[in-house]
Amino acid sequence: EADIYQTPRYLVIGTGKKITLECSQTMGHDKMYWYQQDPGMELHLIHYSYGVNSTEKGDLSSESTVSRIRTEHFPLTLESARPSHTSQYLCASSGATGHTDTQYFGPGTRLTVL
Amino acid sequence: GQNIDQPTEMTATEGAIVQINCTYQTSGFNGLFWYQQHAGEAPTFLSYNVLDGLEEKGRFSSFLSRSKGYSYLLLKELQMKDSASYLCAVMDSNYQLIWGAGTKLIIKP
Repeated sequence: EADIYQTPRYLVIGTGKKITLECSQTMGHDKMYWYQQDPGMELHLIHYSYGVNSTEKGDLSSESTVSRIRTEHFPLTLESARPSHTSQYLCASSGATGHTDTQYFGPGTRLTVL
Repeated sequence: GQNIDQPTEMTATEGAIVQINCTYQTSGFNGLFWYQQHAGEAPTFLSYNVLDGLEEKGRFSSFLSRSKGYSYLLLKELQMKDSASYLCAVMDSNYQLIWGAGTKLIIKP
């Protein structure tokens, strides 16, 4: 079944740790995105990729980095986590079907940095 | 700048009809999306409008007026499970999605 997966779903870590949030999709989509969302607030785009070896920063300044070595995989890495990184991280993918280019979301990773 | 406006919160009664409005000002327009997001979960796609008019999908309908920069999401025969936030998003000239903050819909029995 075509889907988009994120692991871990929940993560609690200490300040200064390096973490990688995983995102994989079996939708066959070329485009992938990372968003950050605080409770009750709008989604903020932090990174996106339109294909293998293509990555761009989004509107929200982020200390994270991403890579796109395989079409289906788009991991996000925080080299040194801080309490200000506490948030929900949502991965999405899209592939132009007709003209809609609808984004579909994974279940999210809720990160808490102590 | 680019801007999406939606009411912060709305309350409606089970079985009733509710209309959630969205106005936008963006650099270019390549379609408007509505998503549903239950608390603590990821957004799920509801509808897409790129031409003026009404798109109907079961109990949910979405309307677009490009000249007015306006859309609404209409929910009929409200059920308790419809309690969620409803996000309006516009795709701009760079094919980036600009997101509204969402409208929290509370359904009362």
